[in-house]
Amino acid sequence: DAGVIQSPRHEVTEMGQEVTLRCKPISGHDYLFWYRQTMMRGLELLIYFNNNVPIDDSGMPEDRFSAKMPNASFSTLKIQPSEPRDSAVYFCASSVGREQFFGPGTRLTVL
Amino acid sequence: DAKTTQPPSMDCAEGRAANLPCNHSTISGNEYVYWYRQIHSQGPQYIIHGLKNNETNEMASLIITEDRKSSTLILPHATLRDTAVYYCIVRVAYGAGNMLTFGGGTRLMVKP
Repeated sequence: DAGVIQSPRHEVTEMGQEVTLRCKPISGHDYLFWYRQTMMRGLELLIYFNNNVPIDDSGMPEDRFSAKMPNASFSTLKIQPSEPRDSAVYFCASSVGREQFFGPGTRLTVL
Repeated sequence: DAKTTQPPSMDCAEGRAANLPCNHSTISGNEYVYWYRQIHSQGPQYIIHGLKNNETNEMASLIITEDRKSSTLILPHATLRDTAVYYCIVRVAYGAGNMLTFGGGTRLMVKP
């Protein structure tokens, strides 16, 4: 099993641009999570899905952030427009039971 | 979910046991204790979890006190590759979408 796959691994963009982060969960997992990690705030849960349906998006910082899960094998996290304070590492994780499996993360830098 | 308290950092000599403490004095009866670790530049990795009884797997042992207000993660023979941030998390196993709330964790430095 390839594990959770995230792309791109690194993204550098300019303020105001749209950024799309992608995640492929482990096959058969029915939960998908998006986290953000910064030095100041640590690891924060942004949103999670169950069976492709968003369950809790209370961690999404503002309307510039949106997430979708069109099918069981793909999810996106979009930031539009991006701002320098969005610079962070974004992790996707999936689970089917008590253990969450994390992807390698996408390091986003907004200039 | 109950709040946890961990020391911000610890050192351990290579080959020795690393004992990482965690306080969770407000833990509820249906909350489990989970441990994850994050090696630099990687995503967090599950280590072990438990409810009441001590648990052991190929990575570590988890010792939970009888009153469940604290626990200790034990890496029996720490190696340099165990250098990481270790997170203690308490949460209800079912419901709430298996959500994890990460605190500051303990930065373990294994030294030669």
